[in-house]
Amino acid sequence: ETGVTQTPRHLVMGMTNKKSLKCEQHLGHNAMYWYKQSAKKPLELMFVYSLEERVENNSVPSRFSPECPNSSHLFLHLHTLQPEDSALYLCASKKAHNNHNEQFFGPGTRLTVL
Amino acid sequence: SQKIEQNSEALNIQEGKTATLTCNYTNYSPAYLQWYRQDPGRGPVFLLLIRENEKEKRKERLKVTFDTTLKQSLFHITASQPADSATYLCAPPSHTGFQKLVFGTGTRLLVSP
Repeated sequence: ETGVTQTPRHLVMGMTNKKSLKCEQHLGHNAMYWYKQSAKKPLELMFVYSLEERVENNSVPSRFSPECPNSSHLFLHLHTLQPEDSALYLCASKKAHNNHNEQFFGPGTRLTVL
Repeated sequence: SQKIEQNSEALNIQEGKTATLTCNYTNYSPAYLQWYRQDPGRGPVFLLLIRENEKEKRKERLKVTFDTTLKQSLFHITASQPADSATYLCAPPSHTGFQKLVFGTGTRLLVSP
């Protein structure tokens, strides 16, 4: 295990539902990321938090809303999603002080929007 | 804008052979490059980092090269095993900075017994 956990592992939701994805890291890291991975496409960076402040919002639609209450936890709140939002959502963390540090990924949440 | 290219077609090789995967980048000069392994339905796992002043980096059966003139990194797995079958991702840092990596689409490696 990488020290980064994500729940739920699988989620099926309708377009009118509201749900949240949760990420937790036990590595003492202070930067956390949300990525979207669709079939045949590279990982798309969605959000970056460093020291609990959002430092990057990569032109993500407002139906995705991140929350970072502390350095160990990261949430992605979902509402009124579209079928094209179906993908694997990955959380990652790293130590922020050195740009070279590798990212540690969670196992992902497989999201299906009906 | 930055562009990372990896061969999108799967690479099929026989057990025991050396696998060589290619990562080409354009429109910038990264200070380093990371390689990750991803198994189906799981998150990527970090393998190696190579800096621009390093020509080659090794870790057990893995070897990475970094040619800043060709703007290319090669990833080699020697004495490949079926357990090496996975998708391998190349990830240089974003030129817009701040702790961001730009991932390639990855190359799927299939090692048959």
